[in-house]
Amino acid sequence: DTAVSQTPKYLVTQMGNDKSIKCEQNLGHDTMYWYKQDSKKFLKIMFSYNNKELIINETVPNRFSPKSPDKAHLNLHINSLELGDSAVYFCASSPHGADSNYGYTFGSGTRLTVV
Amino acid sequence: LAKTTQPISMDSYEGQEVNITCSHNNIATNDYITWYQQFPSQGPRFIIQGYKTKVTNEVASLFIPADRKSSTLSLPRVSLSDTAVYYCLGLPGGSQGNLIFGKGTKLSVKP
Repeated sequence: DTAVSQTPKYLVTQMGNDKSIKCEQNLGHDTMYWYKQDSKKFLKIMFSYNNKELIINETVPNRFSPKSPDKAHLNLHINSLELGDSAVYFCASSPHGADSNYGYTFGSGTRLTVV
Repeated sequence: LAKTTQPISMDSYEGQEVNITCSHNNIATNDYITWYQQFPSQGPRFIIQGYKTKVTNEVASLFIPADRKSSTLSLPRVSLSDTAVYYCLGLPGGSQGNLIFGKGTKLSVKP
């Protein structure tokens, strides 16, 4: 069983479109995250979310919005896609008070290409 | 959060022990040091975490001296499959807050 799964793995879309990336974790973790890795390979936190609090990185455009229907899911919605949104997006999860033996668990990523 | 500095790249050969050093001069009292590994086209994977002295698991060892201003990740007898980017991060309380990734160290293992 995949611990943190993201769909789709690849997404190619045109500028101006609205798209969503889904993330599910079956680890029973309390907190989920979205990270963006750009072409220079820098990994940047976008959001962290648990059932109590959404923390948004202030540099993230408001075209990006996380939606969490339940504790096991954190989807990423992107409106009016731009060329600069092309990147690999990683979902991650951690337990409340992350276990020092296991850390955070990341998904395998979604490669978004905006044309 | 502790700002970390690592070498941009390192080369090694199969079977060697590899030590990657990370500097974190401004580490806070409640910061833990955690290391992640990332293969191409995959998400980061947790390797090890520690506060001070030495921590060892089945994958690696982590050495943190008493002043905690640096740490060393030790990979015993590396293989080609250990070629990856290794990230050193500071994490408040070992679990509170978001992981803030730097540039990491690209380790290349050669036959």
